[in-house]
Amino acid sequence: DTEVTQTPKHLVMGMTNKKSLKCEQHMGHRAMYWYKQKAKKPPELMFVYSYEKLSINESVPSRFSPECPNSSLLNLHLHALQPEDSALYLCASSQESGVNSYEQYFGPGTRLTVT
Amino acid sequence: DAKTTQPPSMDCAEGRAANLPCNHSTISGNEYVYWYRQIHSQGPQYIIHGLKNNETNEMASLIITEDRKSSTLILPHATLRDTAVYYCIVRVEAGNQFYFGTGTSLTVIP
Repeated sequence: DTEVTQTPKHLVMGMTNKKSLKCEQHMGHRAMYWYKQKAKKPPELMFVYSYEKLSINESVPSRFSPECPNSSLLNLHLHALQPEDSALYLCASSQESGVNSYEQYFGPGTRLTVT
Repeated sequence: DAKTTQPPSMDCAEGRAANLPCNHSTISGNEYVYWYRQIHSQGPQYIIHGLKNNETNEMASLIITEDRKSSTLILPHATLRDTAVYYCIVRVEAGNQFYFGTGTSLTVIP
């Protein structure tokens, strides 16, 4: 099983709402990632989790709050978002790479629209 | 972090080889070059990666120059399903971060 699943596929939320994006993998990967992708732009790294601990936060605003409850799950909690946060949110996972080379497996993404 | 430069778009005739170039002139000694592609609104798909030597798998070949400042992804017999945005990425040494470049939009023409 080389699949990363993400739910929901689409999400529309108001600026005062609280919602969560969910990502799951069962490949035994210990590194998980959130990316944000605006239309016609490349994915931008947001967060990296390594062994369920946050290892990298790319200066993401606090209205995005990641959580890794176990090695298979990654959540992204959303609160008080702005319309400019509308984007495709991608989750990925990989083996814990260190100095070795391991590819990242991406999920299909959640299309988020903030109204 | 090493950055990558790619042409914004390319066309290729169906059945011909597609050669996609990438410049990564600031790459460090232990940084890997990865290639991914993204078909419209789907998640990026891994293609191939390499460090110094040329690599080949069932999808593509990766040619890395001796000085490692550039590379070329080769799709040997392009099909219409290869139409996608192709990203050349340099993975940070001893880290998990991928920083995507702007990518090349490849259109395979019948």
